[in-house]
Amino acid sequence: DAGVIQSPRHEVTEMGQEVTLRCKPISGHNSLFWYRQTMMRGLELLIYFNNNVPIDDSGMPEDRFSAKMPNASFSTLKIQPSEPRDSAVYFCASSLAEQQYYEQYFGPGTRLTVT
Amino acid sequence: AQSVTQPDIHITVSEGASLELRCNYSYGATPYLFWYVQSPGQGLQLLLKYFSGDTLVQGIKGFEAEFKRSQSSFNLRKPSVHWSDAAEYFCAVGYSGGYQKVTFGTGTKLQVIP
Repeated sequence: DAGVIQSPRHEVTEMGQEVTLRCKPISGHNSLFWYRQTMMRGLELLIYFNNNVPIDDSGMPEDRFSAKMPNASFSTLKIQPSEPRDSAVYFCASSLAEQQYYEQYFGPGTRLTVT
Repeated sequence: AQSVTQPDIHITVSEGASLELRCNYSYGATPYLFWYVQSPGQGLQLLLKYFSGDTLVQGIKGFEAEFKRSQSSFNLRKPSVHWSDAAEYFCAVGYSGGYQKVTFGTGTKLQVIP
């Protein structure tokens, strides 16, 4: 069974450019999470979806960040325009909303470098 | 809101020695508690979890953790560390009704020396 798939694995872009990160959750999972990890701030929850609906986006740093989940098998995190301080590893995770089933499965991450 | 504290940023142990990583949480009701491990360049992997019942839980790779309500702690232990255990370890807490949202601690980096 395939795990959480993220693409690209590495992204290098110039300041001001648009960046789109993609995530395919585990089939059957109905919750999806986007995290950002940096040395300074650790692991931060940006936004999470339940049944394709955004539940809490309070972690999204600025209006430059947006996330969508058009269907149960795909989500995107977009940064426009990108800035050097957005450089980080972005993780997607998914889980199954059964009773007491809170285990999150993480993807390998996308390492974003904004120059 | 719930929170998690991992007081040790970095720990170094000798291979074969025992290990204990500390985790304290803040939450009024019974929490759901987790330990994750992150190897360099990888995503996080679940080691073990506690929901209810026996307060000593066993996980993968020979790890165990004990839930102590009186101390609001969920420390991770391993009796004999292997070099391959070098990684970063994250404690996390969730709660019922939280749409599976969990809050992660800041992590503890484990270095294993020969």
